[in-house]
Amino acid sequence: EPEVTQTPSHQVTQMGQEVILRCVPISNHLYFYWYRQILGQKVEFLVSFYNNEISEKSEIFDDQFSVERPDGSNFTLKIRSTKLEDSAMYFCASGGQGVEEQYFGPGTRLTVT
Amino acid sequence: AQTVTQSQPEMSVQEAETVTLSCTYDTSENNYYLFWYKQPPSRQMILVIRQEAYKQQNATENRFSVNFQKAAKSFSLKISDSQLGDTAMYFCAFMKPGNTGKLIFGQGTTLQVKP
Repeated sequence: EPEVTQTPSHQVTQMGQEVILRCVPISNHLYFYWYRQILGQKVEFLVSFYNNEISEKSEIFDDQFSVERPDGSNFTLKIRSTKLEDSAMYFCASGGQGVEEQYFGPGTRLTVT
Repeated sequence: AQTVTQSQPEMSVQEAETVTLSCTYDTSENNYYLFWYKQPPSRQMILVIRQEAYKQQNATENRFSVNFQKAAKSFSLKISDSQLGDTAMYFCAFMKPGNTGKLIFGQGTTLQVKP
């Protein structure tokens, strides 16, 4: 069964460093998303991406964040200068023809020290 | 703005029993989707069940069913014949139809199934 994959599973970085989180969505999906979950809290929407552009982004998704689909298979989230409060689990999700169902990857745990 | 509220932070149930998790939401939209996601200790988010607001019939997936009350803006999840593998955090989520697919999640309910 097709699934969304994410790498790395755990990333540790120092405050101020840039990180890139990688996702491989399900191959025929057209809609891509990033969410984050701070430990013990609810899952929060960051950004949605369709037709090679951002379709919606949240207040969390400020100028420090960017997304890219560089080669038609990967979908990346970049954080330019990480802060301690960026420590969280980051989930990638993808959806097919309709946006109704989203399939989540296993997540990347980002720890900023 | 839409909001989703899960008022039960933690629940427990004996194996083979039935448990109901509550969810309420607030929206001015008439058409939308509602979901329950399961997050086991591995933290993977797994879609359990979905409901379209325009459908009056409650969704069912094997041991999982929902009680969707549109007027009351209530969307509860019933798990029948609970199994140890059902132990997880459960999130209720709302989506407004459109081309963005943004999911709005509740705070989650931690369910423990006891042997």
